[in-house]
Amino acid sequence: EVQLLESGGGLVQPGGSLRLSCAASGFTFSNYAMSWVRQAPGKGLEWVSPISGSGGSTSYADAVKGRFTISRDNSKSMLYLRMNSLRAEDTAVYYCAKHAHDFWTGYYDYWGQGTLVTVSS
Amino acid sequence: QSVLTQPPSASGTPGQRVTISCSGSRSNIGSNYVNWYQQVPGTAPKLLIYGNNRRPSGVPDRFTGSKSGTSASLAISGLRSEDEADYYCAAWDDSLSGWAFGGGTKLTVL
Repeated sequence: EVQLLESGGGLVQPGGSLRLSCAASGFTFSNYAMSWVRQAPGKGLEWVSPISGSGGSTSYADAVKGRFTISRDNSKSMLYLRMNSLRAEDTAVYYCAKHAHDFWTGYYDYWGQGTLVTVSS
Repeated sequence: QSVLTQPPSASGTPGQRVTISCSGSRSNIGSNYVNWYQQVPGTAPKLLIYGNNRRPSGVPDRFTGSKSGTSASLAISGLRSEDEADYYCAAWDDSLSGWAFGGGTKLTVL
């Protein structure tokens, strides 16, 4: 059974940093692209950043480019999102999502339960 | 402002058939597959339809996806109370080089 468990969310001041983690199990982690997708309170889903199965390729939405860094540790089946220079508009539930293939243009087939990030003074 | 356009709400009574639309452009729906996700408030999204009209195992055949040109739709037949949720369409956007999502449609079962 595929399981994705996010952690690391919390309350942070504007300009602060946070690192989110996602523990994956139930599949061969390195064979699949992974992504972070967020959902602001009461809003829809927003694509944030994907990473290839090897970790060698990444991409970022314009809203987070230069501030967020996605990475993965295939030996530990872990996905990470380092978030710097956080803004109020980054407040959202952050989901870890698995792609159905090792390319991120393919659909997400599993999602974690999400972790809430609140940016406020 | 979402890249894909969905109606904010839809409703139906048990047993009815409901359709949710998703409108996009040539760079997303017009060029790529459409996927649909179901999200019960407070829980993670769940894949409902992929590749325009394919159902993952475990998804009832009451859920049907279709696509024509730059629009797509999700039909739910034999509506049940447990279908009450938010529904999102999604497609890769070649112009954005990223995923485009609809704003979501809240389905109420009356």
